[in-house]
Amino acid sequence: KAGVTQTPRYLIKTRGQQVTLSCSPISGHRSVSWYQQTPGQGLQFLFEYFSETQRNKGNFPGRFSGRQFSNSRSEMNVSTLELGDSALYLCASSLDWSGGGYTFGSGTRLTVV
Amino acid sequence: DAKTTQPPSMDCAEGRAANLPCNHSTISGNEYVYWYRQIHSQGPQYIIHGLKNNETNEMASLIITEDRKSSTLILPHATLRDTAVYYCIAPPHRDKVIFGPGTSLSVIP
Repeated sequence: KAGVTQTPRYLIKTRGQQVTLSCSPISGHRSVSWYQQTPGQGLQFLFEYFSETQRNKGNFPGRFSGRQFSNSRSEMNVSTLELGDSALYLCASSLDWSGGGYTFGSGTRLTVV
Repeated sequence: DAKTTQPPSMDCAEGRAANLPCNHSTISGNEYVYWYRQIHSQGPQYIIHGLKNNETNEMASLIITEDRKSSTLILPHATLRDTAVYYCIAPPHRDKVIFGPGTSLSVIP
């Protein structure tokens, strides 16, 4: 059974650019959540999608957005990149809201220069 | 929102049991306790979860106190590969799942 797949694994972008990250959940999983992880802030919740609807949202500026498609695949977008957006972005999937019973992907390492 | 408190770091000798505590004194009756671990630069890995009863799986055991205000994750025979950050969470139903800073466990040879 394939796990959660995140692409790309590594990305280097310039300040001011935008970026789109992709997450393919485990087959049959309908909930996808995104997290940002930096050394100073730990794991920060971005948002959760379920059946193409954003169900929960963290405290991030509007530059961070996401969406979920009918096949449960999800993308997140960050516009007008800042140096502080450099982080590991993690995606997690679950059947429904499983109270935290997630399977995480390996993440996308974004570096903003 | 059940806030959890964990010690920032712990050491454990290789081959000994690692006992990682977690305080969740404000947990509600229907909120589960989940444990994850994260090995450097990888995505967190689910370990175990429980509501009231003690639980055991191939990775670890979870002991929850009768009043549910705290729990302990037990790795019975710690190996060097168990060196990781361990997160204890107790998310409210259908709400965002928030991770704290966790406990950095170092298994010492």
